[in-house]
Amino acid sequence: SQKIEQNSEALNIQEGKTATLTCNYTNYSPAYLQWYRQDPGRGPVFLLLIRENEKEKRKERLKVTFDTTLKQSLFHITASQPADSATYLCALDIANSGNTPLVFGKGTRLSVIA
Amino acid sequence: EAQVTQNPRYLITVTGKKLTVTCSQNMNHEYMSWYRQDPGLGLRQIYYSMNVEATDKGDVPEGYKVSRKEKRNFPLILESPSPNQTSLYFCASSFNPPSSPYEQYFGPGTRLTVT
Repeated sequence: SQKIEQNSEALNIQEGKTATLTCNYTNYSPAYLQWYRQDPGRGPVFLLLIRENEKEKRKERLKVTFDTTLKQSLFHITASQPADSATYLCALDIANSGNTPLVFGKGTRLSVIA
Repeated sequence: EAQVTQNPRYLITVTGKKLTVTCSQNMNHEYMSWYRQDPGLGLRQIYYSMNVEATDKGDVPEGYKVSRKEKRNFPLILESPSPNQTSLYFCASSFNPPSSPYEQYFGPGTRLTVT
């Protein structure tokens, strides 16, 4: 069956360290992958998009990698801050795999501890 | 300000009483979508619309209806709500269908409780 897995439900990290979140997928061949941030009770907010032919994308303290061979994306937050605490969602374009254009993972709840 | 608005933000209703959740965007986006979010299940797509008068089922369409008569509006209709439709609902829109790489803009959410 089609599946998107984000490595863990929750991740605790100390302020200043690099947080690394994982998104694995099976049975898809997405043209691109997106990462969103969601704060409690609020709608997801777009962070980064990476295409299948791109290995890496950066935006300020954020970095995303996309390995279509491993079927995996890594999302890094460097020099993490308590304000980075939120749930992070990966989302795949599965237009080639079914009738739903965008499918979300369940998210990883990141807590950055001061 | 570019935004997606949803109304109501909170709703408590009873089983079987028809309700509509409105969604409106001011960004002239072609694509609009409804999701529900439940603990442990994540965001699941209910319906989406590629453009006016073009709607399609997502992963969990049962018990829901939508319409897209105008580009800016995409209401979600529950004809006969049941307790298993208690959830947090999000409307989203994007500049082009997600098969083109554009970000989705989400509304603030509607928390629905069906008793």
